[in-house]
Amino acid sequence: KAGVTQTPRYLIKTRGQQVTLSCSPISGHRSVSWYQQTPGQGLQFLFEYFSETQRNKGNFPGRFSGRQFSNSRSEMNVSTLELGDSALYLCASSMGPPSYNEQFFGPGTRLTVL
Amino acid sequence: AQSVTQLGSHVSVSEGALVLLRCNYSSSVPPYLFWYVQYPNQGLQLLLKYTSAATLVKGINGFEAEFKKSETSFHLTKPSAHMSDAAEYFCAVNFGNEKLTFGTGTRLTIIP
Repeated sequence: KAGVTQTPRYLIKTRGQQVTLSCSPISGHRSVSWYQQTPGQGLQFLFEYFSETQRNKGNFPGRFSGRQFSNSRSEMNVSTLELGDSALYLCASSMGPPSYNEQFFGPGTRLTVL
Repeated sequence: AQSVTQLGSHVSVSEGALVLLRCNYSSSVPPYLFWYVQYPNQGLQLLLKYTSAATLVKGINGFEAEFKKSETSFHLTKPSAHMSDAAEYFCAVNFGNEKLTFGTGTRLTIIP
């Protein structure tokens, strides 16, 4: 069974630009969560989607948004990029709610904002 | 505020020695607790999880963790460290709000 895939793996953008990251979950998983990982803050929860609906959201500004498609694939978008958005963005999928189900993580997309 | 604290952002142990990684959480409600491991340039992988069935939880790769309600702790241990255990370890807690809160991680280094 294929794992969680994320594209692209690396991305370099400049301040003010926007970026879209993609995540394909494990087949059969309907829940997709996104996390931001930075050295100082660790893993911060961005949002979770289940059956195309955002079920939970973390404490991030509205510049961070996401969506999920009918095939469970998910995208997250960051508009008006800031230097502080440089991070590893991880996507994770699970059969059910990630709060008590095992999450399977992708390798991440490393975003660098210059 | 609900929080997860991992004491020691960096821990070094000798090969063959006991591994002890600490995790404390702030909650009066018994939560779901997890330990995840992240190897270099990879995503996170589940080591073990506590779901109230037993206080001592055994995971993969010889790791185990004990839930101690009175101490609000869920420390991760392994009797004998192996070089392949070098990685970053994250404790994560569900405080009953359908979200998973991660600790800031502990980087484990194994000394040959």
